[in-house]
Amino acid sequence: QKEVEQNSGPLSVPEGAIASLNCTYSDRGSQSFFWYRQYSGKSPELIMFIYSNGDKEDGRFTAQLNKASQYVSLLIRDSQPSDSATYLCAVYGGNQFYFGTGTSLTVIP
Amino acid sequence: KAGVTQTPRYLIKTRGQQVTLSCSPISGHRSVSWYQQTPGQGLQFLFEYFSETQRNKGNFPGRFSGRQFSNSRSEMNVSTLELGDSALYLCASSHRDRAYEQYFGPGTRLTVT
Repeated sequence: QKEVEQNSGPLSVPEGAIASLNCTYSDRGSQSFFWYRQYSGKSPELIMFIYSNGDKEDGRFTAQLNKASQYVSLLIRDSQPSDSATYLCAVYGGNQFYFGTGTSLTVIP
Repeated sequence: KAGVTQTPRYLIKTRGQQVTLSCSPISGHRSVSWYQQTPGQGLQFLFEYFSETQRNKGNFPGRFSGRQFSNSRSEMNVSTLELGDSALYLCASSHRDRAYEQYFGPGTRLTVT
């Protein structure tokens, strides 16, 4: 059983700070990694994906992947109250996605 | 372009009954995946359909089944409902050329009493 682990939080950061969300995965053969954002009462929305070791930046978001440590993270710079949501880490392997249970982020104005 | 739609949005059923949920993907998307989301287990993969064929299946009992029609619309059926089947059921569609970019529908909230 492939596992994806996330700290459930809640994680609280002040507005303008950097929010750091972490995820570990069990299947060393996993190749593709994704971050979804899910607002309360809404469905998940893909915000970032990363395939290669290192960093990938998209606006205020940076995904970091370390395959040796089986670790993927999401950094949100200049956090805004509108970033308050649950962030789901997902790993693709064996022809399906495996999701973590999510980290709840609250950005305090 | 319209997003993924799911019907019904809310459903209350009794133990032992069966239920059918429907999902219409984004126009042009031929892959539809179904997920169950619960507070304790998170998002769990049920199955994926592509061009009317089940391509992948998660680790759920045979009470959970699905199908896809020629217009890519998909249905999932749960027979002999149990209390533990209460969950948000999400479907997601993706384009053949960008299979990893899944677009989720709003979900169907199923409550089993």
